Amino acid sequence: QIQLVQSGPELKKPGESVKISCKASGYTFTDYAMHWVKQVPGKGLKWMGWINTYTGKPTYADDFKGRFVFSLEASASTANLQISNLKNEDTANVFCARKGVSGSFDYWGQGVMVTVSS
Amino acid sequence: DIQMTQSPSFLSASVGERVTLSCKASQNINKYLDWYQQKLGEAPKLLIYNTNNLHTGIPSRFSGSGSGTDYTLTISSLQPEDVATYFCLQRNSWPYTFGAGTKLELK
Repeated sequence: QIQLVQSGPELKKPGESVKISCKASGYTFTDYAMHWVKQVPGKGLKWMGWINTYTGKPTYADDFKGRFVFSLEASASTANLQISNLKNEDTANVFCARKGVSGSFDYWGQGVMVTVSS
Repeated sequence: DIQMTQSPSFLSASVGERVTLSCKASQNINKYLDWYQQKLGEAPKLLIYNTNNLHTGIPSRFSGSGSGTDYTLTISSLQPEDVATYFCLQRNSWPYTFGAGTKLELK
């Protein structure tokens, strides 16, 4: 069955970096784009951008340009998100989501809670 | 950016009741509208894609409709397991944008 399994929760200090992963299984990884979505606890969802899993080309929403990097370990069917120079406002649950043939996000990871606190 | 406005923000309804949730876009989104259900502590789950297509495994009591800027999610007969927050998402243009959500509770 199709699964996206994300890495565990992270507690970081402002200014530090974090790398979270999203491991896909049950399908051909390079056939479907991977998107990233942020959710501040108790709040709504915000689209961060996506990565073409075939070419490795990332696309970032405006609010996520500069400190955010999407990358791949295609041989391991894994997409990664690295956030540098962490700020308090980066505290959020971050989801990866597969873009299916319909164009919608048909499978989601369980989410990674990133907490930034001094 | 396209703004997505969901209403109501909060809805309380009884088991068996017909429930209608609304999502309005700030411009025409050409039916590129999805609905997601998020239960407490879980990831969102796709219910409806491209306005009116039921995702695999989703009960037939869920349906979607709309066009242009106005879209609706209907639950024909509310069940206890439908307690959740419902988000709409437009995929007509980047950046993709979500509505703020409708929190659905049992009366």
